[in-house]
Amino acid sequence: AQSVTQLGSHVSVSEGALVLLRCNYSSSVPPYLFWYVQYPNQGLQLLLKYTTGATLVKGINGFEAEFKKSETSFHLTKPSAHMSDAAEYFCAVSGSSGTYKYIFGTGTRLKVLA
Amino acid sequence: GAGVSQSPRYKVAKRGQDVALRCDPISGHVSLFWYQQALGQGPEFLTYFQNEAQLDKSGLPSDRFFAERPEGSVSTLKIQRTQQEDSAVYLCASSQAVGPSYEQYFGPGTRLTVT
Repeated sequence: AQSVTQLGSHVSVSEGALVLLRCNYSSSVPPYLFWYVQYPNQGLQLLLKYTTGATLVKGINGFEAEFKKSETSFHLTKPSAHMSDAAEYFCAVSGSSGTYKYIFGTGTRLKVLA
Repeated sequence: GAGVSQSPRYKVAKRGQDVALRCDPISGHVSLFWYQQALGQGPEFLTYFQNEAQLDKSGLPSDRFFAERPEGSVSTLKIQRTQQEDSAVYLCASSQAVGPSYEQYFGPGTRLTVT
């Protein structure tokens, strides 16, 4: 069975500091991985996705993530945090067959300090 | 173009009432998903449609939950005899095609509160 673990339900960083949000997955087949951001009272917006090919994936708003098979990780990073990055972030793995439903982690709420 | 829309955005129901939640996916999208997001949790899968066919309803928590997509576009999630544990945000998502690499586009959700 596939699963996703996000370490740290709350992360605080200073404005301009590095953002690192952790995601580890469990999958018996090559995974398809996604990071979504959710602002208050809004739906989820795709930041980036890994399907095949290059393991370093660049997304919107300056975010990127690196797929590391040996570590079963897909951590999200951004070199310099901005106040507008404050939101909840979800890592998800797509089902390998059938419906291709997403299995989400429990989310990490990012707070950016001025 | 228009994204995924959901209505109502907020719904308050008394315990025991029936509710219907609507999802308008992106036009032409084949796949449609419903998820339930409890407070402080990640979304959890409820059910999946490919066009008008409901191919997976393994996530529906009880037989009080029912979903349909009769013409392969708009979908309705119905909850009968609502209970307090049904309080959550219900998210709808659509995807252009079938396959694991196609991202899902999410609507803003319907926040259901059962009193």
